[in-house]
Formats: sequence, C-alpha cells, structure tokens
Amino acid sequence: VQLEVFGGGLVKPGGSLRVSCAASGFTFSDSFNDAFMSWIRQAPGKGLEWISYISGRGNKIHYADSVKGRFTVSRDNARNLLYLQMNSLTVDDTAIYYCARQQVVGHDFWSGYPNAWYFDLWGRGTLVTVSS
Amino acid sequence: EIVLTQSPGTLSLSPGERATLSCRASQSITSNYLAWYQQKPGQAPRLLIFGASSRATGIPDRFTGSGSGTQFTLTINRLEPEDFAVYYCQQYGSPTFGQGTKLDIK
Repeated sequence: VQLEVFGGGLVKPGGSLRVSCAASGFTFSDSFNDAFMSWIRQAPGKGLEWISYISGRGNKIHYADSVKGRFTVSRDNARNLLYLQMNSLTVDDTAIYYCARQQVVGHDFWSGYPNAWYFDLWGRGTLVTVSS
Repeated sequence: EIVLTQSPGTLSLSPGERATLSCRASQSITSNYLAWYQQKPGQAPRLLIFGASSRATGIPDRFTGSGSGTQFTLTINRLEPEDFAVYYCQQYGSPTFGQGTKLDIK
C-alpha cells in the first residue's frame, strides 16, 4: 500500500508544472467508495498546508484560497493516478508536495461536500522549486 | 478558521523517558476531530492517532492520544530511538495543522 509522488523540479516564476501521484496496493476508486485524495505541501522548514482534494469520481473538488484559480487537481482512475497542475507559480509555491489518501468523516448538509477529514496514507513527496 | 498551537516547540528527552506533547485549539473541536502525525527527516508524515485517541493501524501502544474541546495531548511512553521526529496535530475541518513539536534526543 503506497503512494509515489513524482514530477517536481525547478521552474521559473510565472511558469507551470504538473506533479503526479501513483497509487498502488489499495482500491484507488470503485463504485462503492468515493475515495477522496488530497494534495498537501510543506515549504522548506515550515509546517504542513492542505491545498486541494478531489473525490473518487472527480465531481467534488475543493482548493485552499492560496492556490484557487492557479492549481487544478484531477485523477485518472483507470491508471490509479492523481495529478496537480500548477500554473502561475510564485516563489511562495516552493515546497515539497505530498499526495495523501483522505478519510472523510463528515459532510456539509447542504452541499454534500466533505467538511471533516484526515489523512491515513501519504506519499513521500516531490520538491517543487520556483526560482528565477 | 481554527488555529492549532503546539507546545513545546522542541522537547529534548532520552530514550526510555515519557514525552508529553500538547495541541491547543483556538476554539472547541467538535466530535474530537483531531489527528496526530509523525514526520521523520526526508519522509512523509505518518498517521499516528485519529479521532483524538484512536491509534492508526500498526502504531505501537506506547503512543496515546487524549483530550477534548480545545486541549489535546499526545503521550509517548518509553521513548524508542525511532520516536525522535517532528509531530503535528491536525483538526479535521477545512484542515489546519499545528506548527509541530520537534522531539530531540537529549
């Protein structure tokens, strides 16, 4: 059971990069479980920041304000892959990017979107450096 | 947004001792929706505790989570060399993490 993150690297401010996460050893998505996945990042020497999630079917997506409008999360369930497309990158986006399996324990009554979750499996992470 | 404050920032102890790590929330956390993670250098975080007090699969019973409301504690009994790491708490809603406690070998 593991997650492997890849695709990090050096990119100039204003540039784009896509990181990927490969899942293995568990059911990435099926008809019975809406298997949410998240992206979390950690700037050098700093703490953890959740940035996005996507539902198993890809129909529920949510972003932190810090990346909304610039980052896009997607998934390919046939290939057990999770993606994070990052555009308009700034130096503040420099971080290790982790993917994580999300355990949802609560939903918003009106929207049906998750409002409470934790992370029970993490990938090792990939470093994204934004620098000129 | 709930802010989590962890203390101390660094805790220096010897193997065999007991570690007590604190996580204080700026407002009450409903349903004990709090998790603890361990992160070693160069590694991804690992889930230790969920629901404030439930150990994740494979976590030794020397790790104990407790607390409710705004005050939560992670206790590690009989410290092993592999326990020296950084520990984060996380509240479930629009999740935020504490800033971490570094557990150092004295």
